[in-house]
Amino acid sequence: DAKTTQPNSMESNEEEPVHLPCNHSTISGTDYIHWYRQLPSQGPEYVIHGLTSNVNNRMASLAIAEDRKSSTLILHRATLRDAAVYYCILRPYNTDKLIFGTGTRLQVFP
Amino acid sequence: EAGVTQFPSHSVIEKGQTVTLRCDPISGHDNLYWYRRVMGKEIKFLLHFVKESKQDESGMPNNRFLAERTGGTYSTLKVQPAELEDSGVYFCASSRKRGGFETQYFGPGTRLLVL
Repeated sequence: DAKTTQPNSMESNEEEPVHLPCNHSTISGTDYIHWYRQLPSQGPEYVIHGLTSNVNNRMASLAIAEDRKSSTLILHRATLRDAAVYYCILRPYNTDKLIFGTGTRLQVFP
Repeated sequence: EAGVTQFPSHSVIEKGQTVTLRCDPISGHDNLYWYRRVMGKEIKFLLHFVKESKQDESGMPNNRFLAERTGGTYSTLKVQPAELEDSGVYFCASSRKRGGFETQYFGPGTRLLVL
């Protein structure tokens, strides 16, 4: 299975944009890129996903490199409630299995 | 709509004992998944049910783990006998359909401690 690599932690101030990077250099052509986040004492929750094109939703934006070997999750204006562990995940086309990385712990300061 | 629920929220047992974890998926979701995170490791896939059938059980660590989903509704994951290395958080997730763009909804997890 292809793997993802993320920084262990990042910090941001409230109201500022946050760019969370992820490397997945061994991604296959049919792996989907998903991002989930985990708030304290909760299970992971879906944030966004994509395959080749950049994606936007109400929570975040996902920028995917042209060669698909990396991606960036963008939170446009961080809030205190965005403090969580963010997981960059690959999902092979032919299975429903989510392959989690180690995640990035995001701290947001007032 | 109720989310995915898991029971118990915490369990403390001794090595060699048996523990059964339960997961109730979101109503109408045919797909049910089990994942776990053991100490210091990433969250790992265990298995995937489609209704009552095991679609993918490639992540099950060994034959001490038995997952069932009789009737295609709730699922149980039994660990017998439990070992120290089984300690961790066990997550259940469900989804309505299969496919790369389908969202999996996770429960809060069961925290298992084997002493």
